[in-house]
Amino acid sequence: EAGVVQSPRYKIIEKKQPVAFWCNPISGHNTLYWYLQNLGQGPELLIRYENEEAVDDSQLPKDRFSAERLKGVDSTLKIQPAELGDSAVYLCASSPTRAGELFFGEGSRLTVL
Amino acid sequence: GENVEQHPSTLSVQEGDSAVIKCTYSDSASNYFPWYKQELGKRPQLIIDIRSNVGEKKDQRIAVTLNKTAKHFSLHITETQPEDSAVYFCAATPNQAGTALIFGKGTTLSVSS
Repeated sequence: EAGVVQSPRYKIIEKKQPVAFWCNPISGHNTLYWYLQNLGQGPELLIRYENEEAVDDSQLPKDRFSAERLKGVDSTLKIQPAELGDSAVYLCASSPTRAGELFFGEGSRLTVL
Repeated sequence: GENVEQHPSTLSVQEGDSAVIKCTYSDSASNYFPWYKQELGKRPQLIIDIRSNVGEKKDQRIAVTLNKTAKHFSLHITETQPEDSAVYFCAATPNQAGTALIFGKGTTLSVSS
């Protein structure tokens, strides 16, 4: 069974440029999460989806971040415009239910210059 | 909301020794406590979890204990091996509809041979 797939794995951009990350969860997993992981820190929740509905986006900086999960499967996370402080790893995770084990992707490492 | 504190931030042991990592949580409603292992440049992966109706759970060299009264839980690794070297994250969640995992800041475990 394929795991959670994320792309790109690495992205280097200049500040004020836009960037987008894509996530394909494990088949059949209705719950999808985007987490932010700064160097030396634990993952921090950005947004959680139940199917196509964003049920928890309280930690998403909505002035520059947006996310969507059309058709309740793949998801994209966008930053526009990017700032220096956005440099981090963006982790996508999915789970078969709204409670229990999270399965993480390899992450997308963003460097903003 | 939930807050998870994790200690120590770094831990160095000799191969064969035991390692203990401790976490405290703030939300008395939390009832699911997983531990994730993240090797350098890799995705976090679940290694063991415990639910609030259980005080201790063991899986080969790994065990987790939970004290709900004191609101803390611990990871115990016995007979450590160099391949145990990684960053370990504890997490907690009330495991209810609308709640995602809240992670600690992580413990970097180094096992030297």
